[in-house]
Amino acid sequence: NAGVMQNPRHLVRRRGQEARLRCSPMKGHSHVYWYRQLPEEGLKFMVYLQKENIIDESGMPKERFSAEFPKEGPSILRIQQVVRGDSAAYFCASSPPGLAYEQYFGPGTRLTVT
Amino acid sequence: DAKTTQPTSMDCAEGRAANLPCNHSTISGNEYVYWYRQIHSQGPQYIIHGLKNNETNEMASLIITEDRKSSTLILPHATLRDTAVYYCIVLGPNGQNFVFGPGTRLSVLP
Repeated sequence: NAGVMQNPRHLVRRRGQEARLRCSPMKGHSHVYWYRQLPEEGLKFMVYLQKENIIDESGMPKERFSAEFPKEGPSILRIQQVVRGDSAAYFCASSPPGLAYEQYFGPGTRLTVT
Repeated sequence: DAKTTQPTSMDCAEGRAANLPCNHSTISGNEYVYWYRQIHSQGPQYIIHGLKNNETNEMASLIITEDRKSSTLILPHATLRDTAVYYCIVLGPNGQNFVFGPGTRLSVLP
């Protein structure tokens, strides 16, 4: 059973470009969570999604950030018009239905904005 | 904000037990204590969790005080590969996301 997969593992974008980060949950998991980790800091919750629904986006910046988890395919975290402050590691986690406390994390995507 | 406080860093000699404390004095009756670790910027790895009884698995033991205001994660025989940041988190059964504090940076020394 493959774990949570994220791609790309590393992403470099110039200021003003768009970044798209993908997350494929573990088989049988229908809940996805995105976290951001700035250098030398702990992980910060961003958004919690179920298939085709955003359940909690209280940690998402109000502008430029969006997330989706379509019926088919991976979850996407999209950052428009990236700025240097968006440089961070973005981790995705997935959990089985009804077991939000049983989260399994992916390897992360390291975004560098130049 | 995280509901837990942990020491910033700890050292442990290889082969010895590593005891990592965590304070969670405001924990509610139905909130669990979870431990994750993050090795060198990899994704966090689940270690163990518990409610009020002590727990043990192949990775570690979790000792929760009777009043549940603190707990200790025990790695019985620490190896160099256990060097990581260890996070103690509390979450209720209806909770939806983990709140990570800064954790404890454990260095296992040869």
